[in-house]
Amino acid sequence: GESVGLHLPTLSVQEGDNSIINCAYSNSASDYFIWYKQESGKGPQFIIDIRSNMDKRQGQRVTVLLNKTVKHLSLQIAATQPGDSAVYFCAENIYSSASKIIFGSGTRLSIRP
Amino acid sequence: DAGVIQSPRHEVTEMGQEVTLRCKPISGHDYLFWYRQTMMRGLELLIYFNNNVPIDDSGMPEDRFSAKMPNASFSTLKIQPSEPRDSAVYFCASSEAGSKETQYFGPGTRLLVL
Repeated sequence: GESVGLHLPTLSVQEGDNSIINCAYSNSASDYFIWYKQESGKGPQFIIDIRSNMDKRQGQRVTVLLNKTVKHLSLQIAATQPGDSAVYFCAENIYSSASKIIFGSGTRLSIRP
Repeated sequence: DAGVIQSPRHEVTEMGQEVTLRCKPISGHDYLFWYRQTMMRGLELLIYFNNNVPIDDSGMPEDRFSAKMPNASFSTLKIQPSEPRDSAVYFCASSEAGSKETQYFGPGTRLLVL
């Protein structure tokens, strides 16, 4: 069945260090993946996406890596800042399911000063 | 752009009452999605529309839930009658046809059914 999961429910990182948030997916038919950030009291916010024909994509301070062999996705945040504190969700889209995306359970990132 | 607008932001009601949640998508977006978020079940897709037409409502919990999109700039999610287990944060999101998987979320409506 379709499922998107996360390795760790919480992650604590020292301010200034890099953060790595991991995600596993089980559906090999998934061809598009998205990372969302959700701050307390707000809706999820799009961060970065990657298609299955790529293995790496970079944005501003963020990098997403995709390993299709082991069905693994990661989000790397460089020089983590207090404003990065949030819950991060990975989500997958299965082309046959049109616009429907499935969200993982989320990882809470907390920043130590 | 104002982003996705949802109202009300908070709703407290008693079991058995009708609840109506409202959403205004981003102008020009062709897709509109309704989600429910709880601690136990995470973020669940309830229903989505394309060009005002419901495409997939398989996530709607039961007949007590209904959603409409009478025009491109407005959608409602109605719960009648409401039950305590419906307590959750309900999000509306929209996306454009050229990038339909990239969804922009509203601030959500926090619903508490007593």
